[in-house]
Amino acid sequence: GAGVSQSPSNKVTEKGKDVELRCDPISGHTALYWYRQSLGQGLEFLIYFQGNSAPDKSGLPSDRFSAERTGGSVSTLTIQRTQQEDSAVYLCASSPGFYNSPLHFGNGTRLTVT
Amino acid sequence: GNSVTQMEGPVTLSEEAFLTINCTYTATGYPSLFWYVQYPGEGLQLLLKATKADDKGSNKGFEATYRKETTSFHLEKGSVQVSDSAVYFCALGDTGNQFYFGTGTSLTVIP
Repeated sequence: GAGVSQSPSNKVTEKGKDVELRCDPISGHTALYWYRQSLGQGLEFLIYFQGNSAPDKSGLPSDRFSAERTGGSVSTLTIQRTQQEDSAVYLCASSPGFYNSPLHFGNGTRLTVT
Repeated sequence: GNSVTQMEGPVTLSEEAFLTINCTYTATGYPSLFWYVQYPGEGLQLLLKATKADDKGSNKGFEATYRKETTSFHLEKGSVQVSDSAVYFCALGDTGNQFYFGTGTSLTVIP
């Protein structure tokens, strides 16, 4: 079946602009995660959704970052007033939400802030 | 709190060499353990998993055993190929559906 889909795959934006990144999880997956991966770095946790609610927003780096999920499906990560340090690959993952179930990742959105 | 410590890279091996990438964890409760692989330009793919102590996960010639006594989940492969060149991440999933990732180990296999 279809995997996790992220769009756009690449985004170049000017400093100060807002961007929206989209994630379509695997159908039926109740849990959805956003991570950030900077060049040559590991994964930085941003936010986790269970259904439409976000029990853990602790990873969002600043109040310029926000995320929502609607209908228990699609999620949007919004970055306002982008800065150059926001340049990274943003990865989305989903899971059925059961104990022991692994994460399934999308291919990511590569964001470049010029 | 929960955490994963992974062997620093990069690792460079010749084709057919033996591979070990060390991973240790700190956790409360009964976590699940995973290895993910990331090929260039792609997202992370699940390589293998183990859900309880002494379980062995295996896939594509890779193996890892969940060792509770040493809190380890080392990744091994007996004979690596050029196509195994990638970044490998060790991860822990806790009972609250939170995941913790190691920093990743870059592997390059040369012919």
